Amino acid sequence: GAVVSQHPSRVICKSGTSVKIECRSLDFQATTMFWYRQFPKQSLMLMATSNEGSKATYEQGVEKDKFLINHASLTLSTLTVTSAHPEDSSFYICSASYSGQLAYEQYFGPGTRLTVT
Amino acid sequence: AQRVTQPEKLLSVFKGAPVELKCNYSYSGSPELFWYVQYSRQRLQLLLRHISRESIKGFTADLNKGETSFHLKKPFAQEEDSAMYYCALRRDSNYQLIWGAGTKLIIKP
Repeated sequence: GAVVSQHPSRVICKSGTSVKIECRSLDFQATTMFWYRQFPKQSLMLMATSNEGSKATYEQGVEKDKFLINHASLTLSTLTVTSAHPEDSSFYICSASYSGQLAYEQYFGPGTRLTVT
Repeated sequence: AQRVTQPEKLLSVFKGAPVELKCNYSYSGSPELFWYVQYSRQRLQLLLRHISRESIKGFTADLNKGETSFHLKKPFAQEEDSAMYYCALRRDSNYQLIWGAGTKLIIKP
């Protein structure tokens, strides 16, 4: 149980365009979802935390107008990278948590490789 | 400041040897600590959490509040243990995690 999917797994886009990444909890209701960015050979960097039905909370240094996060339902959160630039190329990972006994465990998606040309 | 430190970027040991991946934390409250693992080409997954006091795949980790450490140990390493290991600390009262930089564990045959 507790499976999280991400779509697409890989995306290549041109500089200046926008890209949307979906994160879905397949078999549970995710009250909280997290978006991370991972640079090569580095740890995860938390970008934002989103709770269903409310605005995402962004970490310091993350531009909320550039990285739009929507958590419209308990099973879906989206990250839209607007006006993408080559420096936005990275591995984006989402995770999800739910209220309950294992509330502090995060279930991770497989990640999305974004390449901006 | 809340911080998790994994001092070793890379740890290489022979199969059958003991393994210890170090994790130190800085936190003023009562810590909740976790070890996550990422095998090659797989997603991150929880390995163990300190509150469960469990042993998963032969790994154990004891929270030492005096030394502010949560080192991951296994007495006899296996080749399938090769992976990236991340230590994480739950932040305050929400579900956010503070991550260490990760340690790449390589088990040599």
